[in-house]
Amino acid sequence: GIQVEQSPPDLILQEGANSTLRCNFSDSVNNLQWFHQNPWGQLINLFYIPSGTKQNGRLSATTVATERYSLLYISSSQTTDSGVYFCAVPLTGNQFYFGTGTSLTVIP
Amino acid sequence: NAGVTQTPKFQVLKTGQSMTLQCAQDMNHEYMSWYRQDPGMGLRLIHYSVGAGITDQGEVPNGYNVSRSTTEDFPLRLLSAAPSQTSVYFCASSRAPRGTDTQYFGPGTRLTVL
Repeated sequence: GIQVEQSPPDLILQEGANSTLRCNFSDSVNNLQWFHQNPWGQLINLFYIPSGTKQNGRLSATTVATERYSLLYISSSQTTDSGVYFCAVPLTGNQFYFGTGTSLTVIP
Repeated sequence: NAGVTQTPKFQVLKTGQSMTLQCAQDMNHEYMSWYRQDPGMGLRLIHYSVGAGITDQGEVPNGYNVSRSTTEDFPLRLLSAAPSQTSVYFCASSRAPRGTDTQYFGPGTRLTVL
């Protein structure tokens, strides 16, 4: 089956720092989504990004489908950015396969 | 819109008991899914539905049943709870298939099986 690997597994940042999270996937996919799970467990969709680059405030994402990776950039990090970031790729039907996540802690 | 709602938020069961986790959405989405999340892991798909009356198995379906009699509701039934089913359960819905649209998640149900 498809493999979805995320790096780094854990990240600690000082507030205001920038970071890049990476998602590698083993098979061709026609789209990819990034999610944030906050410390209270709520999952929020950040980006639906099959290819190219999208930006939403301090967050942006880039997917290079031909090279099978996606990057999530967080600029000027804030404590509210803490949580776990997942990338997910779709399979058949409405199935998503999730990576194991990057746990981000932003300290003031 | 309330979005995706799940009940209960917390549940403790004894081994062998059965129960139903409720999921409802008010966005008229055709596509709904159930996931489980174990500590330190990503989400794994249990069952999914592409419309009322149509369901299919995901990655980890054993021990769970689903049905979809209406567009709005997608309950998950645990037939005979086992400690291995201790997990956090998330329901999700989307308008389009194959991840071509945003997936919306409920707040989760934290289940402990003793």
